[in-house]
Amino acid sequence: GAGVSQTPSNKVTEKGKYVELRCDPISGHTALYWYRQSLGQGPEFLIYFQGTGAADDSGLPNDRFFAVRPEGSVSTLKIQRTERGDSAVYLCASSYQPQSEAFFGQGTRLTVV
Amino acid sequence: TQLLEQSPQFLSIQEGENLTVYCNSSSVFSSLQWYRQEPGEGPVLLVTVVTGGEVKKLKRLTFQFGDARKDSSLHITAAQPGDTGLYLCAPPQPGTYKYIFGTGTRLKVLA
Repeated sequence: GAGVSQTPSNKVTEKGKYVELRCDPISGHTALYWYRQSLGQGPEFLIYFQGTGAADDSGLPNDRFFAVRPEGSVSTLKIQRTERGDSAVYLCASSYQPQSEAFFGQGTRLTVV
Repeated sequence: TQLLEQSPQFLSIQEGENLTVYCNSSSVFSSLQWYRQEPGEGPVLLVTVVTGGEVKKLKRLTFQFGDARKDSSLHITAAQPGDTGLYLCAPPQPGTYKYIFGTGTRLKVLA
């Protein structure tokens, strides 16, 4: 596609439920990033993929968070046993190669009630 | 994690005024990107600066990378309401491939 696409754009879930957030990067981009942005803050790094592998997952807050990119293109961020503190906008970005210009999707606004 | 500070946090100005926002760190960066983010949207890349002392212009926006590559500034000339948004600086964290973001400067330009 022309840009990074994230689905759904909005997700409301109940506390304790499982959610999946999807990211379609720009075609041909090998690097993919997930960030989380809370209200009034800048994006906070979660995980970085180079191809299919998670090259850096140091930003994942705990083991309830997991992300995959099985074919080196689409990525899914998975959150188990959601908590109200997980409410935020989850942003995905891709770049042609590491440290080249990163392009962001519009984000998924997750609300845990 | 390297500390990255952006100032001011908030800025409200009248259309036509000039302004400068700053991005400062104690760390040396290989490059730095500036983004603008509007409500409900993801950040949009404005520019990447790479060389110490580099100045890049994008219409009414002038970006400068500090000589020591520890800081950067964004100057907007004759601001317009369309410049309203959250301005974020994002260098890659040294030794990694991840970008770190400041908390941003929230700019509002009043017509």
